[in-house]
Amino acid sequence: AQTVTQSQPEMSVQEAETVTLSCTYDTSESDYYLFWYKQPPSRQMILVIRQEAYKQQNATENRFSVNFQKAAKSFSLKISDSQLGDAAMYFCAYSNDYKLSFGAGTTVTVRA
Amino acid sequence: DGGITQSPKYLFRKEGQNVTLSCEQNLNHDAMYWYRQDPGQGLRLIYYSQIVNDFQKGDIAEGYSVSREKKESFPLTVTSAQKNPTAFYLCASTSVGREGGGYTFGSGTRLTVV
Repeated sequence: AQTVTQSQPEMSVQEAETVTLSCTYDTSESDYYLFWYKQPPSRQMILVIRQEAYKQQNATENRFSVNFQKAAKSFSLKISDSQLGDAAMYFCAYSNDYKLSFGAGTTVTVRA
Repeated sequence: DGGITQSPKYLFRKEGQNVTLSCEQNLNHDAMYWYRQDPGQGLRLIYYSQIVNDFQKGDIAEGYSVSREKKESFPLTVTSAQKNPTAFYLCASTSVGREGGGYTFGSGTRLTVV
């Protein structure tokens, strides 16, 4: 099984500040996809951002951006201008050949 | 609206019983998945199917069974062989050829053994 590691079980951020979530993965493949999913208390999984491994440019979606380091097998998520609605569990995920594997998740708390 | 419907939302099982969780999608997706989530943990893959009448075991398939008789449906049976079935179960799907577009998830089924 592919291994996805999120080393930060919990992160806390002040409203309007920036927080960065770490993710590393293990693979021998050269072509794959990476995702960050958000799971709020409703437990619905929401796609935040995605990255294709063959693209060097880091993906950005509004206040969310990634730092993709292919050689280091690292895929961190930066949340800028944090809002109360960003409070949730965030999962890093790896997909290759239609098999999606998840990290253990990072719980993000936003302080007002 | 297109999406994935999981039912029931809550399910209670007695010891020794088999129960079946439903997952239906109207997205015309080829591939479907079942994940298990325990409290405070990530999602672990149980089974997945990329095409009708074919499926593969994931990382924790023991004690579970699936079928894929129709493209829209991928039911999961939790058998009595599953020793600790209490968990939150999520169904997902994606389109073959559009893996990079992401995976869509249902709203989940909470299974409790009583």
